[in-house]
Amino acid sequence: AQKVTQAQTEISVVEKEDVTLDCVYETRDTTYYLFWYKQPPSGELVFLIRRNSFDEQNEISGRYSWNFQKSTSSFNFTITASQVVDSAVYFCALSEAGNTDKLIFGTGTRLQVFP
Amino acid sequence: EPEVTQTPSHQVTQMGQEVILRCVPISNHLYFYWYRQILGQKVEFLVSFYNNEISEKSEIFDDQFSVERPDGSNFTLKIRSTKLEDSAMYFCARNGPTQNTEAFFGQGTRLTVV
Repeated sequence: AQKVTQAQTEISVVEKEDVTLDCVYETRDTTYYLFWYKQPPSGELVFLIRRNSFDEQNEISGRYSWNFQKSTSSFNFTITASQVVDSAVYFCALSEAGNTDKLIFGTGTRLQVFP
Repeated sequence: EPEVTQTPSHQVTQMGQEVILRCVPISNHLYFYWYRQILGQKVEFLVSFYNNEISEKSEIFDDQFSVERPDGSNFTLKIRSTKLEDSAMYFCARNGPTQNTEAFFGQGTRLTVV
């Protein structure tokens, strides 16, 4: 069965600190996709990244980076030099290929960045 | 890429009333989805819609829910007889134009049942 676990319910940091959000997933499929979404206080879901199960290369986009490790079924998200605007709830999600592409979300991690 | 647009942004309804939530407009996309997020909780899959029919639905999507594309572009979610526990943010999403691409979400409709 599919499952996504985000064990950290809330993280608070001070601006400019680095922060890592953890995501652990479960799936029986060999082909799957992992996602991160940001939900700011305004409520919309903002797409951040999508990775497929065959691509374990880490990815960096500005202050954001992602570490995908199949050996530990993890897809962690790091924000470097955090800013107040990074304050939001971050969701990790999983979809299995050939399964209508529905997303299974984790419970989210609320990140608060204080000035 | 055009974003998914949902209307209304907020709807208040009395318990037992029918509500229709809309995605407007959508074209040339493959899959459409409705998700629900009860306040402070995770986002939950409700239903996926492909080629003008339901391709998968969750256990949440019971007989009081229905989806359709009445005019080939608008994608609607109908809740026939709302309950207090239906109060949530409802998100429409699409992916495509090919399978296994990222899902883009609308801004959501906040439904409040009183």
